[in-house]
Amino acid sequence: DAGITQSPRYKITETGRQVTLMCHQTWSHSYMFWYRQDLGHGLRLIYYSAAADITDKGEVPDGYVVSRSKTENFPLTLESATRSQTSVYFCASSGENYGYTFGSGTRLTVV
Amino acid sequence: KQEVTQIPAALSVPEGENLVLNCSFTDSAIYNLQWFRQDPGKGLTSLLLIQSSQREQTSGRLNASLDKSSGRSTLYIAASQPGDSATYLCAVCDNYGQNFVFGPGTRLSVLP
Repeated sequence: DAGITQSPRYKITETGRQVTLMCHQTWSHSYMFWYRQDLGHGLRLIYYSAAADITDKGEVPDGYVVSRSKTENFPLTLESATRSQTSVYFCASSGENYGYTFGSGTRLTVV
Repeated sequence: KQEVTQIPAALSVPEGENLVLNCSFTDSAIYNLQWFRQDPGKGLTSLLLIQSSQREQTSGRLNASLDKSSGRSTLYIAASQPGDSATYLCAVCDNYGQNFVFGPGTRLSVLP
């Protein structure tokens, strides 16, 4: 199916564990983004990528790692999960008109 | 640093009313502006995208306007329906697509 998909939809993990959230898009959009959404903070940019092998930090990058070896994939890794990283994570991509399309989100709980 | 605000924070209206949601941004040097809808527990759905050279966009009962010089955008919803109940977010792109800055959203409730 065409679009942008995130997996898993829900994840519970323990403090200190490594977790990877997956994002896959089928449009070959150049730009991809990771946001987190929290009550009281709205949507905040974690990392973004302008193309394969090009990534850059957003507003709240600490504790996160990204990679983009292929245009269609943009995984987000929490190297050592903390409770403050409990959030809903959204992946998005941007095409020629620079409008955003979002995935359905991953709800992550760190216990 | 770009900041985006939305007024009101919440709005409750009876079905059938026309309504306006407001979005303001501090830096007028934007590339485009996008309105989204978010249902509880769901992702963001794009409603309208306005490029910086445009003044408005329309889709069905929705009309969005953009006034860059004053740093404002409005989303007009005609003949509101209970199915329009959701949070509406405004986002401004100010670096050729590198990232959007989001407003906090307006929570809309349309009562039957």
